[in-house]
Amino acid sequence: GESVGLHLPTLSVQEGDNSIINCAYSNSASDYFIWYKQESGKGPQFIIDIRSNMDKRQGQRVTVLLNKTVKHLSLQIAATQPGDSAVYFCAAEGTYKYIFGTGTRLKVLA
Amino acid sequence: NAGVTQTPKFQVLKTGQSMTLQCAQDMNHNSMYWYRQDPGMGLRLIYYSASEGTTDKGEVPNGYNVSRLNKREFSLRLESAAPSQTSVYFCASQPGQDTDTQYFGPGTRLTVL
Repeated sequence: GESVGLHLPTLSVQEGDNSIINCAYSNSASDYFIWYKQESGKGPQFIIDIRSNMDKRQGQRVTVLLNKTVKHLSLQIAATQPGDSAVYFCAAEGTYKYIFGTGTRLKVLA
Repeated sequence: NAGVTQTPKFQVLKTGQSMTLQCAQDMNHNSMYWYRQDPGMGLRLIYYSASEGTTDKGEVPNGYNVSRLNKREFSLRLESAAPSQTSVYFCASQPGQDTDTQYFGPGTRLTVL
C-alpha cells in the first residue's frame, strides 16, 4: 500500500548548524508534498510545500528538495534555533488526500 | 482570525458513551477534514467534507459519523466509544478541493476507558 517514511526518528543538531530531515514516499503518482512542524501538545503547522513540477523550493530559512526519480524529499533548516525543536513530518498526495509520515523529532542542542 | 478551533481539548469517556467533537474554521475554506493521530503512526483520515453539504469516508471511518453543519463547522461523533478510539483527533481545513495546504486545529485528546 501507500506509505510515507522518514529516515530517522530523532535528529540532534547543534544550535546554529543546518538540519536536514528526509522523507521517502511510495506513490510515484503523488504530485504534491507538504512539510509540517508539530510542537508538543499542538496541531501540525504548515512549513512549506512543493509540487512535482519543481525540484526545489525555498522559504524563510527552509528549503525543500524533491527527487522524483528516487521518490525522496528533504527539508533543510538553516541556522537551526531552539525554537525549531519539534517533530517534523512530510505528507504526500495519496488515495485519501494525503499520506502522512510518522515524523522525525528534531532536538536542538545549546 | 482564530484559524481552526476545536472543542473540547481533553475528554475522558467510558466504553459505550457517546460524544461529539466540534470543529470550526473562520478562513472561509471549502474543505474540512478529521484525522486521528496515534503513537508511531502518521495522521490517518477519518472523514472529510469537500464542500458544504457533502461528506466522504476516509481511511478509518468505522465507529464515527460526521456532520458538515455549515461552511464553518464540521463535527465528528462517536456513537459508542471503544478503547481503540483513544487517540488525538485533529480537524483541518483547506481552501479548495484540489491539492492544497491543510491548516490544522490544536487537537482533542480523547481517552476511552
